Amino acid sequence: EADIYQTPRYLVIGTGKKITLECSQTMGHDKMYWYQQDPGMELHLIHYSYGVNSTEKGDLSSESTVSRIRTEHFPLTLESARPSHTSQYLCASTKTGAYNSPLHFGNGTRLTVT
Amino acid sequence: QKEVEQNSGPLSVPEGAIASLNCTYSDRGSQSFFWYRQYSGKSPELIMFIYSNGDKEDGRFTAQLNKASQYVSLLIRDSQPSDSATYLCAVNSNGGSQGNLIFGKGTKLSVKP
Repeated sequence: EADIYQTPRYLVIGTGKKITLECSQTMGHDKMYWYQQDPGMELHLIHYSYGVNSTEKGDLSSESTVSRIRTEHFPLTLESARPSHTSQYLCASTKTGAYNSPLHFGNGTRLTVT
Repeated sequence: QKEVEQNSGPLSVPEGAIASLNCTYSDRGSQSFFWYRQYSGKSPELIMFIYSNGDKEDGRFTAQLNKASQYVSLLIRDSQPSDSATYLCAVNSNGGSQGNLIFGKGTKLSVKP
């Protein structure tokens, strides 16, 4: 049962719109992540955070931005969406230092930019 | 650059057979190794993790780790059609936490009835 929630599940928007993808977790995890994944393709880390007010860019360059004002909340924003942003966005979280604490994934947001 | 390599497949096995999924990694400092299963259109879910050389068994799944060869594998015994999915190998060189995992591209497994 998922304790990490992403909204919306599906989003279709026009080019140039500003959008925010929401991600919240109720597990008290300090580390949170955003991955981008095209259908049938590999996961790409685009942003991560090790705690409140900590954000870093991942391995894949992205035009999106993130914020971490509260531990449980890690939203991702696209200021001006483009068709190239069409993809699935997966949020994940984990607890620092726990060997048996898995990386929990949300259900994802499938974004289509027309 | 740290890399995790997997054969993309598809790997096709008959129902009841053993499926063997392999993964190699480049960073000798890697300490934690994970296998995730991802059904089409769904999020990855953790099925196994291993930290020490040798085998770790959980039901029909066995993870095998050989740090000297930088090789980790996943065996699925008595494969079922419901095992058909993409299996992602992930490696963490920071020890313990699964932060900043490096994922392989995944191996697509198809179990034929």
